[in-house]
Formats: sequence, structure tokens, C-alpha cells
Amino acid sequence: DTGVSQDPRHKITKRGQNVTFRCDPISEHNRLYWYRQTLGQGPEFLTYFQNEAQLEKSRLLSDRFSAERPKGSFSTLEIQRTEQGDSAMYLCASSLGLGSNTEAFFGQGTRLTVV
Amino acid sequence: AQTVTQSQPEMSVQEAETVTLSCTYDTSESDYYLFWYKQPPSRQMILVIRQEAYKQQNATENRFSVNFQKAAKSFSLKISDSQLGDAAMYFCAYTSGTYKYIFGTGTRLKVLA
Repeated sequence: DTGVSQDPRHKITKRGQNVTFRCDPISEHNRLYWYRQTLGQGPEFLTYFQNEAQLEKSRLLSDRFSAERPKGSFSTLEIQRTEQGDSAMYLCASSLGLGSNTEAFFGQGTRLTVV
Repeated sequence: AQTVTQSQPEMSVQEAETVTLSCTYDTSESDYYLFWYKQPPSRQMILVIRQEAYKQQNATENRFSVNFQKAAKSFSLKISDSQLGDAAMYFCAYTSGTYKYIFGTGTRLKVLA
């Protein structure tokens, strides 16, 4: 399968625990994005990598959130000391190119439930 | 700040009929791109159609077409000959030089047999 894959698909965690999600983009894609989607809302931008460089972070990304993309390949999103408000679908997307019109390919997402 | 607004939370269409989903946006940029993405239940989002702001001609992809009104900042999606497989959430999205997508809140499309 050559699409964007995310792991795990579902995660239930207790409040205060740390969680880490993984995203494997399409192999030749240089850009990688993380979005958060809550029920009834569209995806909200969290952060963006071009190769291994994290070029932009949303103010939604508090100090408890950290994202990495070592070697410009897969990416991880870690949430420390989870809160109930962190419950959401976390989407990863990747794209290729330098222009803004390139299609972003999305993974199926990781659904996080904080209890 | 750029914003994208979808004012129709839900729409229904009879199979084989035509439906139009609305989207408006706000930006001060002159060069940008607009997209419609489809999100089927429990499946990933896929691109339906894209439009470059500098192109006056409306984009079309088979049964899907857009009505792009740049002055009015309007970007509607028309689905012709609706099929049961078209049932999904549809998101309008905007991007400019920052590459990040700004999405609307989505429209749930129901297709009635």
C-alpha cells in the first residue's frame, strides 16, 4: 500500500498519560502535515514539516505537544499529560512539491479518547 | 486571517439528481488555491477537485464541477448524476503560500435511493 498510514488507529488513554502517534507518509513526499479534527468540525492545522524541518506550528500546539520528523521520513506526534480536551481525530497528510496547488494525501487518522 | 465558511451542515439529494454545496472564504491574498475534499465514513479524505485562483475557467472532474466567483469569494461544488457512493462529508479548503490548508466545517451529503 502506497498511501499515508497512521498508527494506531484508535487510542484510549487515561488523563495525565503520554501518548505518541506515528505517521508514515507516501515515500517520496517532502511535506508532512498534522491536523486535528473534532466532531462536527473540519480539520484544524497543527504543524507542518518540509523534509525534516518543522516550518510552522499552530498556536493550537501547546507545550504539551511535540512533533518530529527525523530524517524527513516518518513523523511522530507526542502529547504529554493528556487532557480530556485532547480527545479528537489526529490526521496526518503528505504532499510533494514546492507549489501550493499540490494535492495533500491524508491518512485514516488516529482517534484519541482521553478518559 | 483567512477563513472558510460552509453554511450547509447537511444536504440531501435524490440519486441521479444534481446537488450544489456552498463555500465562501475570506482572504486578502491574490494567489491561492481552493479544494473540495470528500471524507467517507471511517475513511480517509480524498481530493475531489481543485481550483487555482488565477484561472478564470471553472475546474471540472467528471461529474464534479465548481462555480468559482473570485470577486464574491465563493467556491461551490456541483455534483451531477449523484450516486450512492457520493454520500460523505465534503470539506472546502483553502491554501496559499504557507501551504497549510484551512478547512470549512463541512457539509454532510446524503444520497437518497
